[in-house]
Amino acid sequence: DVQLVESGGGLVKPGGSLRLSCAASGFSFNSVYSMHWVRQAPGKGLECVSSISSSSDSKYYADSVKGRFTISRDNAKNSMYLQMNSLRVEDTAMYYCARGWAATNPNFDYWGQGTLVSVSS
Amino acid sequence: QSALTQPPSASGSPGQSVTISCTGTSSDVGGYNFVSWYQQHPGKAPKLIIYEVNKRPSGVPDRFSGSKSGNTASLTVSGLQAEDEADYYCSSYAGSNNLGVFGGGTKVTVL
Repeated sequence: DVQLVESGGGLVKPGGSLRLSCAASGFSFNSVYSMHWVRQAPGKGLECVSSISSSSDSKYYADSVKGRFTISRDNAKNSMYLQMNSLRVEDTAMYYCARGWAATNPNFDYWGQGTLVSVSS
Repeated sequence: QSALTQPPSASGSPGQSVTISCTGTSSDVGGYNFVSWYQQHPGKAPKLIIYEVNKRPSGVPDRFSGSKSGNTASLTVSGLQAEDEADYYCSSYAGSNNLGVFGGGTKVTVL
């Protein structure tokens, strides 16, 4: 079975950093699949944060995180990461890892259970 | 990219049908047949129920159907059941240099 497991969330002060991880299993991670981070602020809707193509040659970011967040993946370790710097209160959200078929197509067939990021002083 | 527009709520009695709209522009919904729909129960991760406007992943009941006309996509849930009570989100491809865009979500209540 396909499984995506996020980790790395927590409570951090504004201006701080966190690194989220997404461990994948049950499918060929290094094949055709793009990987994505989608977040959901408390009581709010879904927002595409960042995505990365299967070979890491294409990366995309929401305007709200551009220049602060960096996405990466290690196909040898079946893992994806999100380095989050200069965190703001408005970055507080549940962060989901999701599998896709193209880096810019929000068609996500599998999702993790999410990791909670709280930014507060 | 601006979020797609969904009604905040919709409701129906068991056995009835409910239809949720998702309005975008010619740069997203209207320009491509890459609209997806997700169901999210409280405290759970979203689940894909429709992709490419009207295709259902394996295991999704045929009570769920999707369509599109112009810049508006729609999700219809027929034969409403108690377990269909959830939040529903649409999403759309918005071009090769843009991240996809989501709608604001619609809370479906089964009366």
